Amino acid sequence: DTEVTQTPKHLVMGMTNKKSLKCEQHMGHRAMYWYKQKAKKPPELMFVYSYEKLSINESVPSRFSPECPNSSLLNLHLHALQPEDSALYLCASSEGHVGFFGQGTRLTVV
Amino acid sequence: DAKTTQPNSMESNEEEPVHLPCNHSTISGTDYIHWYRQLPSQGPEYVIHGLTSNVNNRMASLAIAEDRKSSTLILHRATLRDAAVYYCILGSGGSNYKLTFGKGTLLTVNP
Repeated sequence: DTEVTQTPKHLVMGMTNKKSLKCEQHMGHRAMYWYKQKAKKPPELMFVYSYEKLSINESVPSRFSPECPNSSLLNLHLHALQPEDSALYLCASSEGHVGFFGQGTRLTVV
Repeated sequence: DAKTTQPNSMESNEEEPVHLPCNHSTISGTDYIHWYRQLPSQGPEYVIHGLTSNVNNRMASLAIAEDRKSSTLILHRATLRDAAVYYCILGSGGSNYKLTFGKGTLLTVNP
């Protein structure tokens, strides 16, 4: 299994809602990542988890809260988002120099 | 993070080779050169990586200049399915493998 699975594929949420994005991999990778991608722009790194601990936070606003419950699972909790947070959210895991990306969650904040 | 410079776009014909250039004049001694591509409506996909020597795999070849200040991704026979944005990224490996994407090159493949 060389897949990174993200759910849901699409999400529409209001600015007062709380929602979560989920990412799962069963390749035994100990590094997992969240990226944000706006239309026609490159992916931007948000968070890096290494061995289930947060190792890099790229100055992401606190309305985005990552969580790594175990080595296979990565969540991104969303609260009080703004319309400008609408984007494709990508999860990835890596082994050595090879990264594996999921297909992303398309988030729309209304 | 060391930066890379790539052309905004390139065009190729189907079944012809494609050479995608990348300049990285501030590369450090420990930086690997990685290439990823992103097809429309998909997540990025690993293509190839290297440190100093040229590298080949089933998808592509990577030619690295002797001074490491530039590299070229070579697709030997472009197909329509190779139309994508190609990203050249520098970084070290290990548990904090941090990919910082630049603008990339949009490759169009003509039938």
